[in-house]
Amino acid sequence: EPEVTQTPSHQVTQMGQEVILRCVPISNHLYFYWYRQILGQKVEFLVSFYNNEISEKSEIFDDQFSVERPDGSNFTLKIRSTKLEDSAMYFCASSRKRASYEQYFGPGTRLTVT
Amino acid sequence: GDSVTQMEGPVTLSEEAFLTINCTYTATGYPSLFWYVQYPGEGLQLLLKATKADDKGSNKGFEATYRKETTSFHLEKGSVQVSDSAVYFCALSDLTGGFKTIFGAGTRLFVKA
Repeated sequence: EPEVTQTPSHQVTQMGQEVILRCVPISNHLYFYWYRQILGQKVEFLVSFYNNEISEKSEIFDDQFSVERPDGSNFTLKIRSTKLEDSAMYFCASSRKRASYEQYFGPGTRLTVT
Repeated sequence: GDSVTQMEGPVTLSEEAFLTINCTYTATGYPSLFWYVQYPGEGLQLLLKATKADDKGSNKGFEATYRKETTSFHLEKGSVQVSDSAVYFCALSDLTGGFKTIFGAGTRLFVKA
């Protein structure tokens, strides 16, 4: 069964450094998303992406965040200058149609900022 | 804006007990409703869904019915197993709410043998 994959599974970085989290969505999906989950808290929407542009973003997704689909398969989240409060689990998701249908989530990347 | 409220955990049950996790929602439009499950150390998996009023989603013995009159989508299972121990998230997506899924806070379930 096709699945969303994410790399790395765990990333440790120092405050102020740039990180890139990578995702490979399911191949025939058209809508891509990033969510984050701070430890013990709810899953929060960050951004959605369709047709090579951002469809919607939350207030969390400020100027230090960016997303890109550099080729036909990868979908990346870049955090330009990490802060301690960026430590969280980051989930990538994809869906074949709009969000009224289920999204398929990757296993997540745990980001630890020290 | 749209929101999801679910009962706080943790919920601790003995094996074969009956499970109910309450979930209510607020939405401006006519949302689709979901339950996701997160097993320890893993990502989110869709457990079941319902897209219109009175629909019942079911999977792996879990059920939830979309109740528009009470804006609820409670998760139930008649006989839980130790392997059901996980965090359960109620969620919605709404065409009028854009492209995102909105999650509840999650309810941790512990099942004892």
